[in-house]
Amino acid sequence: NAGVMQNPRHLVRRRGQEARLRCSPMKGHSHVYWYRQLPEEGLKFMVYLQKENIIDESGMPKERFSAEFPKEGPSILRIQQVVRGDSAAYFCASSRSKNTEAFFGQGTRLTVV
Amino acid sequence: GQSLEQPSEVTAVEGAIVQINCTYQTSGFYGLSWYQQHDGGAPTFLSYNALDGLEETGRFSSFLSRSDSYGYLLLQELQMKDSASYFCAVRDKGNTPLVFGKGTRLSVIA
Repeated sequence: NAGVMQNPRHLVRRRGQEARLRCSPMKGHSHVYWYRQLPEEGLKFMVYLQKENIIDESGMPKERFSAEFPKEGPSILRIQQVVRGDSAAYFCASSRSKNTEAFFGQGTRLTVV
Repeated sequence: GQSLEQPSEVTAVEGAIVQINCTYQTSGFYGLSWYQQHDGGAPTFLSYNALDGLEETGRFSSFLSRSDSYGYLLLQELQMKDSASYFCAVRDKGNTPLVFGKGTRLSVIA
């Protein structure tokens, strides 16, 4: 049973470009969470999705950021017109249900140059 | 909203025991979780407490007191590989995501 898979592991984008980060949850998991982590800091919640639905996006910036979790395929976190401040590690986690433990992927380290 | 407090850094000697405390404030409570993260790595689930008391898993134990809004992670027989950041996290309702503390950086020295 593979763990949570994120790709790419590293992503470099120039300012103004778009970044697309993918997350495939563990088999049998239908709840996906995205977090952002800056160096030497904790994990900041961004968005919580359950197949085709956004449950909580209270941590998501209002502009340029969007997330989806389609019926088929991975969850996508999309950042449009990236800026230097978007440089961070983005982690995805999944859980089987809303109250069970969440398991994290290896993260995507985004660098905006 | 939720807030969690944990020490920013702890240093301990190899072979010793260390306790990392976490206090939280939440409107509701659905359990306290602990995660370990090595530099450059992913957070790894360690333990989950929904009820008061001590949960033991090998060298790691986690404790919860709901009345005190307090928990701790206990690491025994410390090894150099235990040097990492440790995060406590809470869920305040059944349909909300985990909220993490800022993490405690544990350094194990010889």
